[in-house]
Amino acid sequence: GDSVTQMEGPVTLSEEAFLTINCTYTATGYPSLFWYVQYPGEGLQLLLKATKADDKGSNKGFEATYRKETTSFHLEKGSVQVSDSAVYFCALSWEYGGSQGNLIFGKGTKLSVKP
Amino acid sequence: DSGVTQTPKHLITATGQRVTLRCSPRSGDLSVYWYQQSLDQGLQFLIQYYNGEERAKGNILERFSAQQFPDLHSELNLSSLELGDSALYFCASSRSDRVSYNEQFFGPGTRLTVL
Repeated sequence: GDSVTQMEGPVTLSEEAFLTINCTYTATGYPSLFWYVQYPGEGLQLLLKATKADDKGSNKGFEATYRKETTSFHLEKGSVQVSDSAVYFCALSWEYGGSQGNLIFGKGTKLSVKP
Repeated sequence: DSGVTQTPKHLITATGQRVTLRCSPRSGDLSVYWYQQSLDQGLQFLIQYYNGEERAKGNILERFSAQQFPDLHSELNLSSLELGDSALYFCASSRSDRVSYNEQFFGPGTRLTVL
């Protein structure tokens, strides 16, 4: 079945460091891809998304490009801040079919940014 | 604040009991999704409703059931509870079930502890 694999955490970085969180997916076809963020004690928030191959999603300095050749959607940020400390989830979803709409999540990667 | 409300925030109960979790979607959203977040299984899709009708089922146990009412709020019923049902249960809502065009907004979750 469809699945999402993320790099294991936790990831600890110093402020202003470069961030990469790897995400790959297994699916038949080309799903939509998402990054969600969960701050401590809160629900998930959509960070960015891409709905077709080669699309780049971006928000709040974060970017991810939908690479169908490598079935990947890696999250990057050039300079992290303490406020970026959270758990990041990669997810996929389908536009059509019996599973349309529901999200399939990776395990999540916890990011801690130190001042 | 996502606009999605969930009650109660915390729930502590005993094995064998039955509980009901409630979700009110954002105003105007027709689609409601339920997810379970546990340490061992991660974030898993349980069930989706769209405008009162069940639209998709994920890894939902037979002991669990849900419904969406005419006012679009939803309830998740968990019965014959086991220790392993202890988890954070999230509700999410979206305008429709077309993933490409509709973001899912997550509530803050209900933390269920089964003793």
